[in-house]
Amino acid sequence: DAKTTQPNSMESNEEEPVHLPCNHSTISGTDYIHWYRQLPSQGPEYVIHGLTSNVNNRMASLAIAEDRKSSTLILHRATLRDAAVYYCILLDNAGGTSYGKLTFGQGTILTVHP
Amino acid sequence: DAGITQSPRYKITETGRQVTLMCHQTWSHSYMFWYRQDLGHGLRLIYYSAAADITDKGEVPDGYVVSRSKTENFPLTLESATRSQTSVYFCASKRSGTATSGNTIYFGEGSWLTVV
Repeated sequence: DAKTTQPNSMESNEEEPVHLPCNHSTISGTDYIHWYRQLPSQGPEYVIHGLTSNVNNRMASLAIAEDRKSSTLILHRATLRDAAVYYCILLDNAGGTSYGKLTFGQGTILTVHP
Repeated sequence: DAGITQSPRYKITETGRQVTLMCHQTWSHSYMFWYRQDLGHGLRLIYYSAAADITDKGEVPDGYVVSRSKTENFPLTLESATRSQTSVYFCASKRSGTATSGNTIYFGEGSWLTVV
């Protein structure tokens, strides 16, 4: 499985934008870029995913580099509730019974200051 | 919308005992997964299932047994619990589908297991 590299931690102030980077230089053409986050004492939750084009949803935006070797999760206005561990994960679209397995790295611990 | 539920949420057991963690989802999702999360290791896949009666090993399957006789249930059994299996266990599910329509994986709230 292709690997991702994220900073161990980042800090932000409340109501400011946050840009969480992820490097995936060995990404394959069939890999989707997924972001999940894990709030304290909870299971991970889906944030956003994309393949080539930038994506927006109610939670965040995902900016994908043209060569797809890196991506950035953008939280437009961080709140205290956004403090969590953010995981950037590549999900192979090759199909088969292994389809959908997530391989988690260490993620980025986001601290939001009031 | 019940979603995906795990039970028990908290369990303390003794070394050598058999423990079963239950996972139930109400969406009829095809895929189900069991992960464990330990400090310093992040989330690691134990077992997964693509459909009823189809299961496969993940990254750390030793010491665990799974079954999937019904689509909605995916129990995880520790046949003889060891202290190294003290962890937080997360069940997850996902529907089948294309990458654009069926990618979201939904996690339960976790089962905290302590083996003493």
